Amino acid sequence: AQSVTQPDIHITVSEGASLELRCNYSYGATPYLFWYVQSPGQGLQLLLKYFSGDTLVQGIKGFEAEFKRSQSSFNLRKPSVHWSDAAEYFCAVGAGIGGATNKLIFGTGTLLAVQP
Amino acid sequence: EPEVTQTPSHQVTQMGQEVILRCVPISNHLYFYWYRQILGQKVEFLVSFYNNEISEKSEIFDDQFSVERPDGSNFTLKIRSTKLEDSAMYFCASSESQIRTEAFFGQGTRLTVV
Repeated sequence: AQSVTQPDIHITVSEGASLELRCNYSYGATPYLFWYVQSPGQGLQLLLKYFSGDTLVQGIKGFEAEFKRSQSSFNLRKPSVHWSDAAEYFCAVGAGIGGATNKLIFGTGTLLAVQP
Repeated sequence: EPEVTQTPSHQVTQMGQEVILRCVPISNHLYFYWYRQILGQKVEFLVSFYNNEISEKSEIFDDQFSVERPDGSNFTLKIRSTKLEDSAMYFCASSESQIRTEAFFGQGTRLTVV
């Protein structure tokens, strides 16, 4: 069955430190992968997506993610975290009928706290 | 920047009552979705909608739920006879197509059933 696993429920990093949020997926076909961010009281904002091609994708706010088929992973990274990055981060795979990309299966999310 | 708008932001209803959650998708989008997030749990797909029909629905989306695009701009989720376990954040989303495009999400409606 299709699934997304985010092993880290809660991560705390210092401002200016690097960040890596882990995501593993289980999906039979070529995955369409997404990272969304949810700030308190806000909706889900797309950070970046992977459909095909270059396995390192760049997103908004200085985030990037790398698709590794051999590891079934799509980890999110940022070289230097800002206090405004504190939020909850969701990895998702598009798993609709006929390859539709926007029936999304979400992971449980990783809550990021940023220390001054 | 175009955005998906949901109203109300918070709704409290008594168990057994019907509620309608409203969404205005991005104007040139053709595909519409509802998701929900029970507190402390993951975001779950409920239903996708295209050309005035449901294209796909999850096992959560039973006869208690219905969706409608009543007037060409709004997209609604109706929950009949609400239960305590329907308390959740409900997100509407829309997309231009269903292949190789992302969905844009609204800010959500927090439904509390008492």
